[in-house]
Order: sequence, then structure tokens, then C-alpha cells
Amino acid sequence: EIVLTQSPATLSLSPGERATLSCRASQSVSSYLAWYQQKPGQAPRLLIYDASNRATGIPARFSGSGSGTDFTLTISSLEPEDFAVYYCQQRDSGWTFGQGTKVEVK
Amino acid sequence: EVQLLESGGGLVQPGGSLRLSCAASGFTFSTYGMTWVRQAPGKGLEWVSAISASGVNRYYADSVKGRFTISRDNSKNTLFLQMNSLRAEDTAIYYCAKESGFRGPLDYWGQGTLVTVSS
Repeated sequence: EIVLTQSPATLSLSPGERATLSCRASQSVSSYLAWYQQKPGQAPRLLIYDASNRATGIPARFSGSGSGTDFTLTISSLEPEDFAVYYCQQRDSGWTFGQGTKVEVK
Repeated sequence: EVQLLESGGGLVQPGGSLRLSCAASGFTFSTYGMTWVRQAPGKGLEWVSAISASGVNRYYADSVKGRFTISRDNSKNTLFLQMNSLRAEDTAIYYCAKESGFRGPLDYWGQGTLVTVSS
């Protein structure tokens, strides 16, 4: 089973700052890596698929990069609505989610 | 507009059974794989089960294998999850989600249905 490890667990930032979230896989997942955003009381929402492609309607401030075992989600300038929990998920072999990174207001 | 609407959650005693449903609309249901994902209170996302578009191929997390059964009725655009021998650790919000294609992400999610296993 492929394990995804996200870091940090919590990121404390202010609106307007840049957020950099990491997701590391225990073995290569090629580019079959997605990122989701989840706000309290809501279902997850797809942000990024195939490591670097933005889903429909996702603002350009969200970007993804990486391949193989190391991936990054970057939010270039945090908006108030971006404070949430972010999960990575691999689809190379089965289905696995990372444990999540919470982006909170500093 | 794609819509996924889960139902069937509730309170059940340990060892009991529950059947979740997910009514799909807004897309050609019979051509996409579907997935169940759960989230225990205050915890992260956990993949539970998946089924291919035809229903022939079914996959399960080790934590539910032998107890849960995924199925679908393509004539009624509905996904199911039969949950037997429920345990306290199965308590969670259960989401159904649509797969976008081969090895694709989960591009649409339902709002979830809460399952509570408690005596």
C-alpha cells in the first residue's frame, strides 16, 4: 500500500502570504496525484489533478507541481476563503489519501 | 449539473447493518467508476471502496473487506454500500464520489451521510 505523508500538519499564515504544502509518497505514483480542499461541514473539493492541472473553476493562485514521490501545492497569495484543510490523494495504485494539512489564520 | 445525494445513514448498534445509497444525476452514470470515502469525526479522509463503471470490478480497503459490499444499479443511476458487522470505528461521514476516468481524481462529491455505530 502506498502511504502519503503530508507536511506540515498545520500551517499558520496571514492573508496575502504564500502557502507551500508538501505531499510525499512512499513509492512512485508517477503523476497520478490530486489535491483537495475541505472546509468545515463541507465535502472535499477537487483542486488539482495529475499533479499540476487545475480543476474546473479553480483560481490561478492554486498551483501544483512534482512527480514520482514528491509533490507540492502552492497557494500564491492566501485569500480569506483559502483557510481550510488540504489533502493529497494518489491514484497510481489503489486509492490513498494523505493525513491532511490545515492552513489556519496566524 | 452533476449531483450526488447520499442517504441511508443513521444510528446502528455494534454488529448491525446499514445500507447507504447515492443517487446520481447530471452525467452518464454508467460510464464512470464510483467510490465511497469516509471521514471519522475530527479525522482525515479514508478511502473505503470503489466500483468500476460496469460494476464488474470492486475494490475494498482492508479495514472493511469482508464486511462491506459495494454495488450499483446503472438503470437507476444509484450507488450502494451494504455495511454489515458494523463496529464503533466505522462511525463516520460517508461520501460517495465520482471518478473522472482511468486513474483519475474524484471530481464530484456528495454532501455525505453520517453513520453512527453505538449501543
